Amino acid sequence: QVQLQQWGAGLLKPSETLSLTCAVYGGSFSGYYWTWIRQPPGKGLEWIGEVTHSGTTSYAPSLKSRVTMSVDTSKNQYSLNLSSVTAADTAVYYCARGRNPYYWGQGTLVTVSS
Amino acid sequence: DVVLTQSPLSLPVTLGQPASISCRSSQSLVHSDGNTYLSWFQQRPGQSPRRLISKVSNRDSGVPDRFSGSGSGTDFTLKISRVEAEDVGVYYCMQGTQWPFTFGPGTKLEIK
Repeated sequence: QVQLQQWGAGLLKPSETLSLTCAVYGGSFSGYYWTWIRQPPGKGLEWIGEVTHSGTTSYAPSLKSRVTMSVDTSKNQYSLNLSSVTAADTAVYYCARGRNPYYWGQGTLVTVSS
Repeated sequence: DVVLTQSPLSLPVTLGQPASISCRSSQSLVHSDGNTYLSWFQQRPGQSPRRLISKVSNRDSGVPDRFSGSGSGTDFTLKISRVEAEDVGVYYCMQGTQWPFTFGPGTKLEIK
């Protein structure tokens, strides 16, 4: 059974960098796109981007200048960094497997507030 | 970006009655590989999204057969044949044909 478990800081100040990590348990780490998606409170879902097991990335144009994704294949983990956060980045952040995700993490609420 | 429009945005339904959600795309979702990457997700309150249907009409394992997907090109539909209490939540369509992938705004299904 595939499980995605994510963690990271839940409260940030404006201009700080958001950092989240997602660990993958069960199943193969290679051969998949590993995705980050976010959801502002009470709003819809937004793609942030994806990273492959070899480290190839694709980012949503609206966030591209501030996003970095990476993988640690030795630990079956991948990470999201989002720099220079503002209140608009307040959201639940999800990690998920694939471009059409069946497996999702539990979500992490990240609040940006001074 | 591909814009997905869902209707209705709010859907009050009586238990046991059918429900239908429309998802329309600003561009054809037929990929160059011939597939149409249109999926449907259910998000119950306080939970992560759950995929129900992929590639227009392929129902995922464990999804009740009262859920069905149909459509082509730019027009797609999710149907629930008989709504049950556990179906309450928000339903999103999502396109995985053109980057950046996008979601529809969501349709909130509630019991009347």
